[in-house]
Amino acid sequence: QSVLTQAPSASGTPGQRVTISCSGSSSNIERNNVNWYQQLPGTAPKLLIYKSNQRPSGVPDRFSGSKSGTSASLAISGLQSEDEADYYCAAWDDSLNSVLFGGGTKLTVL
Amino acid sequence: EVQLVESGGGLVQPGGSLRLSCVASGFTFSNSWMHWVRQVPGRGLVWVSRVNPDGGSTNYADSVKGRFTISRDNSKNTVYLQMSSLRAEDTALYYCARADIAVTRNSLDIWGQGTMVTVSA
Repeated sequence: QSVLTQAPSASGTPGQRVTISCSGSSSNIERNNVNWYQQLPGTAPKLLIYKSNQRPSGVPDRFSGSKSGTSASLAISGLQSEDEADYYCAAWDDSLNSVLFGGGTKLTVL
Repeated sequence: EVQLVESGGGLVQPGGSLRLSCVASGFTFSNSWMHWVRQVPGRGLVWVSRVNPDGGSTNYADSVKGRFTISRDNSKNTVYLQMSSLRAEDTALYYCARADIAVTRNSLDIWGQGTMVTVSA
C-alpha cells in the first residue's frame, strides 16, 4: 500500500483538461518536491514534472504540476490519445528516508 | 547517446543472491545520484535504493534494507545492486535511473529498460 495516494483511474475525451491528484503527508509532499512520471504501455517511465511544477525539456506545456500543503496535482490540458498512460507521483519522505511513489493513475482517453 | 543498460537479472531460488549491473553512457555519471526502482508487471513503481555521486551515502526501502546493497564504480560508469536472501516478493522488473545532482537528488530523468528478476523454486 502506497503512502502517496492516487486514484487508480481517470478518463477524459480529446481536447479536455484532466487533473490527477496525489495525496501525501507532512513528511513527504509538504516538505519536499514532487515529481511526476508518465509510463506508456510496455515502456520505461519518463519524467514529466520535477520540483512540483517544472517541465523537463521536450515535455509539452499541456502538462503542468502544482502543490499545496500535503497534496499535489498533475493537469493535462488539450488531452490527446497519446496521453493514454499510467501516471505516478513521487516524493522523498523525511521520516522513512525513502522515495515514495504513488500507486499510479491509469488515464484513459475516451 | 544517453542511456542506461541494466543486466544481471534472471531466475533465482528463494534465499539466493543476484547482482544487477547498470552501465551508463552519454552523460556525466559521477555527477548523478543513481537509483533502483522495481515494478511487478502490471503493477506500480516501487523505489528500492539510491546512492550519491561518490558512493558514500546510500538509502534503502524498508522492504529491502539489510538484504540489498547498492554500490557504484565511477571509473566504470556502473551502478550495482547486490541482492541476497531473495524472496518471491522481490520478483519484478528492476530499473536503474539517474537524478542529475544539478537539479535534484530524486528527479529521475534517465531510465534504463529494466532487467527482470524472478525468485522461484
